[in-house]
Amino acid sequence: AQTVTQSQPEMSVQEAETVTLSCTYDTSESDYYLFWYKQPPSRQMILVIRQEAYKQQNATENRFSVNFQKAAKSFSLKISDSQLGDAAMYFCAYRSDGGNQFYFGTGTSLTVIP
Amino acid sequence: DSGVTQTPKHLITATGQRVTLRCSPRSGDLSVYWYQQSLDQGLQFLIQYYNGEERAKGNILERFSAQQFPDLHSELNLSSLELGDSALYFCASSAGIAGGMTDTQYFGPGTRLTVL
Repeated sequence: AQTVTQSQPEMSVQEAETVTLSCTYDTSESDYYLFWYKQPPSRQMILVIRQEAYKQQNATENRFSVNFQKAAKSFSLKISDSQLGDAAMYFCAYRSDGGNQFYFGTGTSLTVIP
Repeated sequence: DSGVTQTPKHLITATGQRVTLRCSPRSGDLSVYWYQQSLDQGLQFLIQYYNGEERAKGNILERFSAQQFPDLHSELNLSSLELGDSALYFCASSAGIAGGMTDTQYFGPGTRLTVL
């Protein structure tokens, strides 16, 4: 089974600054999809951004962008101009192309300091 | 709002009891997934259904079972409950069995189960 590793259990950032959350994964597949989900204190799981492995261009959604390094099997999330509402647990997830199951990392808890 | 609904929001019960959690997927989605999230833990995949049939099984205990009905809603049954079953149970749905970005999972708000 694929594994997803988030090596930073906790991160903090000053409001309006930029922070990068790390994610690495282990796979032998060439086609797959990667996701970042946000879980605020409400515990709702919210899709933040997604990336297809066959696309070299990094995905961007407003203040959220990814740095996808396929050879290094790395998929980091950059949050620019951090806001208090960005405080949450962030989960990285992997799904193979044609696969049914999502594999989640253990999460990174992000604190935004006013 | 993801479009996935889960009921009830909260459930408190005693050890040894049986409960049923309900999930309605987004309109048009055929796949339903169940996850368990214990306190301060990541998500553990339990089981997936596609159009009424079981498609993938994860770390689901034998005391747990699920099904997906013809109207595509799904139920997760938890029996002989133990204290350790206390957790947040998420349902997610996606468009199809696999393939493409349409298979992104959208999560419901979760059911918080407390076993006393």
